[in-house]
Amino acid sequence: EGQLLESGGDLVQPGGSLRLSCAASGFTFNSYAMSWVRQAPGKGLEWVSTISGSGDYTYYADSVKGRFTISRDNSKNTVFLQMNSLRAEDTALYYCAKDRNYYGSGSPQWDVWGQGTTVTVSS
Amino acid sequence: QSVLTQPPSASGTPGQRVTISCSGSSSNIGSNSVNWYQQLPGTAPRLLIYSNNQRPSGVPDRFSGSKSGTSASLAISGLQSEVEADYYCATWDDSLNGPVFGGGTKLTVL
Repeated sequence: EGQLLESGGDLVQPGGSLRLSCAASGFTFNSYAMSWVRQAPGKGLEWVSTISGSGDYTYYADSVKGRFTISRDNSKNTVFLQMNSLRAEDTALYYCAKDRNYYGSGSPQWDVWGQGTTVTVSS
Repeated sequence: QSVLTQPPSASGTPGQRVTISCSGSSSNIGSNSVNWYQQLPGTAPRLLIYSNNQRPSGVPDRFSGSKSGTSASLAISGLQSEVEADYYCATWDDSLNGPVFGGGTKLTVL
């Protein structure tokens, strides 16, 4: 079925940067789109970004567009989320999730999730 | 405020059947399939239903999903305490060009 392990979460000041990583195992990594989904403390789920299996297509929520960049290294079975110009409202648990499909567009069917990595933006 | 509307809470007694609704619009549920996620306390979400009514392997058949027009629903039969969790609906929104979630429904087994 597969496993995902996120890392890179930390306490960062407003305006700062952070790079999250998600290492995948147990499935053919380059055959599936990958996404980041976040959950602010005590709140619901919010989609952040998606990248297709090849990395050719990327999608972003309006709330992070222009500040966050998703990428992947299929040789290392890893997906990344570069987060710049961080704001207090970016504070959340960030989950990495595997899509059941290759392109990542269309109805979100995330069938493998990591345990999340915590990002706290505060001075 | 979430694009998809769910009741914040639902409850039932052991053995009972409960349904959780998810309301959207023509740009999301009306034109795309709906998926449901279960999030047990302190854990990551889990895909429960995809493509409106399909269960991934390992999901018991007491979970079922349906969709009609711009609304969808998740039904859980034979309630047991182990299904106490937050449940989220999700779909693609053609206007926003991305996935959207409901606000989540906290299910309590009384």
